[in-house]
Amino acid sequence: KNQVEQSPQSLIILEGKNCTLQCNYTVSPFSNLRWYKQDTGRGPVSLTIMTFSENTKSNGRYTATLDADTKQSSLHITASQLSDSASYICVVRGTGGSSASKIIFGSGTRLSIRP
Amino acid sequence: DAGVTQSPTHLIKTRGQQVTLRCSPKSGHDTVSWYQQALGQGPQFIFQYYEEEERQRGNFPDRFSGHQYPNYSSELNVNALLLGDSALYLCASSILGTGDGYTFGSGTRLTVV
Repeated sequence: KNQVEQSPQSLIILEGKNCTLQCNYTVSPFSNLRWYKQDTGRGPVSLTIMTFSENTKSNGRYTATLDADTKQSSLHITASQLSDSASYICVVRGTGGSSASKIIFGSGTRLSIRP
Repeated sequence: DAGVTQSPTHLIKTRGQQVTLRCSPKSGHDTVSWYQQALGQGPQFIFQYYEEEERQRGNFPDRFSGHQYPNYSSELNVNALLLGDSALYLCASSILGTGDGYTFGSGTRLTVV
């Protein structure tokens, strides 16, 4: 069964600190992996997208890594800000068949930044 | 350039009632996908519409139905509401054939009491 699992479920860190969120997936065959940021009560907004040939992708203070062999990805946030408080969702797209049903969402990591 | 617009933003309904949620896609997008997101969970795919037809469907009962209009806007209808239908309903638009380049709306928060 295609799955996307994220850890930790929730995380609290102090403003200015760094953190790393994890995503493990079993989706196969694999097309790409996206990290989304979702503010409370809002829709997800894409942060990064990586195909299997890409190992790392940065977007400002956000850096995503991908190991397609071990089927693991991480999202590293540096110098956290209060506005980084949100849920971060890992989304994996498989190949073949109907595209929408091959897009699997993780349950997200709820990140809280404390002043 | 407007992004994806959903209405209403919040809604409270009683068990057994019916509800209609609306979505206007991003300008230039022709495909609309609907997702249900329970509290603390990732979005779950309901169905996708293109050219006014339901193209794909997730594991949701027939109580969930939809429609797409010629202007690409879409509706999600849920009949015989259950308490478990309480969730954030997200609409995502895209251009067919461009993969998963979704733009999400802010969602409609449905509460069933």
